[in-house]
Amino acid sequence: DIQLTQSPSFLSASVGDRVTITCRASQGISSYLAWYQQKPGKAPKLLIYAASTLQSGVPSRFSGSGSGTEFTLTISSLQPEDFATYYCQQLNSYPPGFGPGTKVDIK
Amino acid sequence: EVQLLESGGGLVQPGGSLRLSCAASGFTFSSYAMSWVRQAPGKGLEWVSAISGSGGSTYYADSVKGRFTISRDNSKNTLYLQMNSLRAEDTAVYYCAKNLITMVRGVLWSIGIDYWGQGTLVTVSS
Repeated sequence: DIQLTQSPSFLSASVGDRVTITCRASQGISSYLAWYQQKPGKAPKLLIYAASTLQSGVPSRFSGSGSGTEFTLTISSLQPEDFATYYCQQLNSYPPGFGPGTKVDIK
Repeated sequence: EVQLLESGGGLVQPGGSLRLSCAASGFTFSSYAMSWVRQAPGKGLEWVSAISGSGGSTYYADSVKGRFTISRDNSKNTLYLQMNSLRAEDTAVYYCAKNLITMVRGVLWSIGIDYWGQGTLVTVSS
């Protein structure tokens, strides 16, 4: 099975900051990577698919990049509603596992 | 508007069984692969199972293989998860999810989960 790691696990940031989260896969997954945002008590929300394609309705301050084994999610200017936990998911092969998550908290 | 409404969660004793249902609307149900994803209290997301649009292909996480069965009734726009031999570690919120799909080299491929239900809590405890 393909394993995903995320760094950092926890991130403290201020409104307006540029934030970058990294997801690494244990083997190459081409561009079959998705990013999700989850707020407490809510279902996850798809932000990015195919590593860099913005899901419809997601603000353009979110962007994704990478291919192979290393991927990044960038929030160009953190907004109050962006404080949440972020997960990556690989869809190159079954099982399509998730990374452990990165919690973005208010500094 | 896509809607996914789970039901069937609750408290069950270890070794017991439960069947989750997910009523789907707002899209052509039979055209999309569907998944179940769970989240234990205070933990991250865990993919559990998936099924193709026709129901002909099913996939399971090792942690549930042989105990859980995913199925669908396309005439009723409903997804199911039959859970047997439940363990304490199966305690979680279970989400029904619609896969985002695309055609890759002539094959339908899931590239994300674009819609999620609100989740149903399954608690396994004596």
